[in-house]
Parts: sequence; C-alpha cells; structure tokens
Amino acid sequence: SQQGEEDPQALSIQEGENATMNCSYKTSINNLQWYRQNSGRGLVHLILIRSNEREKHSGRLRVTLDTSKKSSSLLITASRAADTASYFCATTLDNTGKLIFGQGTTLQVKP
Amino acid sequence: SAVISQKPSRDICQRGTSLTIQCQVDSQVTMMFWYRQQPGQSLTLIATANQGSEATYESGFVIDKFPISRPNLTFSTLTVSNMSPEDSSIYLCSVLKYLAGGRGEQYFGPGTRLTVT
Repeated sequence: SQQGEEDPQALSIQEGENATMNCSYKTSINNLQWYRQNSGRGLVHLILIRSNEREKHSGRLRVTLDTSKKSSSLLITASRAADTASYFCATTLDNTGKLIFGQGTTLQVKP
Repeated sequence: SAVISQKPSRDICQRGTSLTIQCQVDSQVTMMFWYRQQPGQSLTLIATANQGSEATYESGFVIDKFPISRPNLTFSTLTVSNMSPEDSSIYLCSVLKYLAGGRGEQYFGPGTRLTVT
C-alpha cells in the first residue's frame, strides 16, 4: 500500500522559477528519499534524508523533513526544461531496503 | 554505484501467456527487489528476491502469479504468469548496495514496459 501522499499531483512552471513538491507519510520512518523518473523509465535517486536530519542540500535541490508533521518537501531552484519529469518520495521503515512510494508529482518546466 | 540492465525493455504479449523479465547487475548485491508501476501510478513493491531461497512477497502478490528466481548475487528473473490486460505495467528491478561506511544506496533498472492485449 502507498505510504505517502504527494502534492501537488501536477505542477507547471516557467524555466528559472522554483518548484516545490510536498510529501506526507503515515508511519515512523528510517529515512526518506526522493527520486526522479523521466518518461516512465527507470528511477534516478536524487537525495536521501535520514529521520534525524531536518534539511539537506544537493546542487539545486533542497529537501526538508519534519518528522513531527510526517512530511517532507523537495525544492528545485532555478528550474530548467530538463527538470521536466515525475518526482516521487519514498520511505523506508527499516533496514530491509524496501521502499514505499508516494503518488508522485509530475513537473513540467516550460522553456 | 550499480549499473542494472533489464531484458526485454518492452514487450507486447497476448493474454494467457507468460513473460520472464531478466535483471542483471554489474556487481554483487545482497538485496534485489521487483516493483510494478501501473499506468499513471506510483511504484509498488512486488517482492524481495532472495539468493538461494524463495522470494518474499508483499501483500497482494503471490508466487504462482509472479514467480521469481535469484540464482546468484548479480541476477534475478521475474515471471508474469497467465497474463491479463491488468498486468500491463512497467516492471522495475532494484538493488540495495552498501557503500563505504555502511551507507546503503538504492539503484533502479530502466524498467520493462509490458502491454498485454
């Protein structure tokens, strides 16, 4: 079953603008990860944030985690047309490696 | 990192037939998983492929429908049996690899797009 809910389901912005996607989950987690998927193909791992971390940066990506609200956000700054993709959050509950995915946000960046 | 290949990349199959999807990793990994992504949906874990023993299936998935093999630490197969149009999905192989310092990182294959007519 799906652990997370993401909003918005779809987001359309102009190149250069920032994109923010949110993810909420239901149970306690070990860590939370964000993935990108282009055109229904394989997933690319973007960033992982552990349950004891509150914020993490990687290039133009900024991820926050609020365990009290059971939510996370992914911010993509200065978006580019190449950022057009679907973005998924996924949580792990333990060390088994099993991922529980959110519903995903489809991002369109217009040039 | 880990490089994962899947075969076939896509297929169109008739209902009632079976398709076996292969997943090959370029290095030995302990944990391998199979996910399903139905059209327009997110990913759902089918099972954990265990080397040398039976796969561990998630709720809603059974071995008769999705038999899995894991003969060694770099290879696994997923069979979609007695297919129906509802099985039309992207099937993705994933591995968990532990890096220096004990940190685990997950990698996904490119997926197999299955259409059942």
